[in-house]
Amino acid sequence: DAGVIQSPRHEVTEMGQEVTLRCKPISGHDYLFWYRQTMMRGLELLIYFNNNVPIDDSGMPEDRFSAKMPNASFSTLKIQPSEPRDSAVYFCASSLDRKLFFGSGTQLSVL
Amino acid sequence: RKEVEQDPGPFNVPEGATVAFNCTYSNSASQSFFWYRQDCRKEPKLLMSVYSSGNEDGRFTAQLNRASQYISLLIRDSKLSDSATYLCVVNGRDSGGYQKVTFGTGTKLQVIP
Repeated sequence: DAGVIQSPRHEVTEMGQEVTLRCKPISGHDYLFWYRQTMMRGLELLIYFNNNVPIDDSGMPEDRFSAKMPNASFSTLKIQPSEPRDSAVYFCASSLDRKLFFGSGTQLSVL
Repeated sequence: RKEVEQDPGPFNVPEGATVAFNCTYSNSASQSFFWYRQDCRKEPKLLMSVYSSGNEDGRFTAQLNRASQYISLLIRDSKLSDSATYLCVVNGRDSGGYQKVTFGTGTKLQVIP
């Protein structure tokens, strides 16, 4: 199995632009998680899905952030408009039997 | 009180030393426990599951104490390559019956030549 696949690996954008991060979970996994990690705040859970349905989005910082999971093999996290404080590494993880497996992350820099 | 607490370290130990990390959790109904390892600028990776009976994988031993609500990770004969951040993970169920995953903030280990 290829593992969790995230794209892009790196994204550099200007403040105010829309950013879309993509994730392909491991086939057969029923949970999908989006995390954000910074030096200051550590690993933060943004939102997670069970069987493509959003369960808890209380970690989404504000309305500029949205996430979708249209099918079992694809999810997106969108930031519109982006701000410099959104700069972080964004991880997607999928889970089966309570074990989480992470993608390599997207390093986002908002200038 | 945080749901999962870890000593952030850093733990600076010489090669060959034995080092132990502890992690405490607040929800007594938690069901599954794990240690993850995260290298600098990389994603967290599953190191091992943690069971009440204790489990060992080479130089690594993990233990769960449900009565005291803590888990531990012991690394024997530390290698330079063990330098990383070790994250404690507690997995339970929320009120809706969905999986609830909580990560500790991590303990940084630096093995020194």
